[in-house]
Amino acid sequence: DTGVSQDPRHKITKRGQNVTFRCDPISEHNRLYWYRQTLGQGPEFLTYFQNEAQLEKSRLLSDRFSAERPKGSFSTLEIQRTEQGDSAMYLCASSLTRGSPSTDTQYFGPGTRLTVL
Amino acid sequence: QKEVEQNSGPLSVPEGAIASLNCTYSDRGSQSFFWYRQYSGKSPELIMFIYSNGDKEDGRFTAQLNKASQYVSLLIRDSQPSDSATYLCAVNAGYSTLTFGKGTMLLVSP
Repeated sequence: DTGVSQDPRHKITKRGQNVTFRCDPISEHNRLYWYRQTLGQGPEFLTYFQNEAQLEKSRLLSDRFSAERPKGSFSTLEIQRTEQGDSAMYLCASSLTRGSPSTDTQYFGPGTRLTVL
Repeated sequence: QKEVEQNSGPLSVPEGAIASLNCTYSDRGSQSFFWYRQYSGKSPELIMFIYSNGDKEDGRFTAQLNKASQYVSLLIRDSQPSDSATYLCAVNAGYSTLTFGKGTMLLVSP
């Protein structure tokens, strides 16, 4: 069990550029979540997948954001036409749903820190 | 609007003391409650979770839940300088996503 991994760990980009982040969940975890965290705030939910299906998206997820989990394993989060307000830590988490989703325990990856200049 | 409230701190305690971290939540339908520890610049690390009213102990950590009062707390016994971090309370309101508080910064002085 190698834990959740994310790539890259840091990304600096210029406003207007597109960026893509990757998350590899804990093996056999069927749920994968994306959160965003800014300084002094707790993580805010963006979206989550069960296997390859995207089941919920936050209203925080504008149409410039898109996420995929094509084969139910790794996931990508793309931000198009980045803005300075997109600067944040993007966190990925995964869980294994055994029954009631309300008891899922989510384990976080190291995060990708995005800086938009 | 589901809300989770935490005192931002910092909460300062001497080494060896008990640190008490508190969290209130607004959604009465909340079913599970999690405490994460986050060191500066790092990602959240799960400490423990609690589903039922009462106390749950794990080593030096005790989580306490009172659903009637919509209150959950984390006690850290024998606090160590390495416990200095931000502690995040997270609540699952019966769906799949977590709602986090802003976290409480804990400082343990030697």
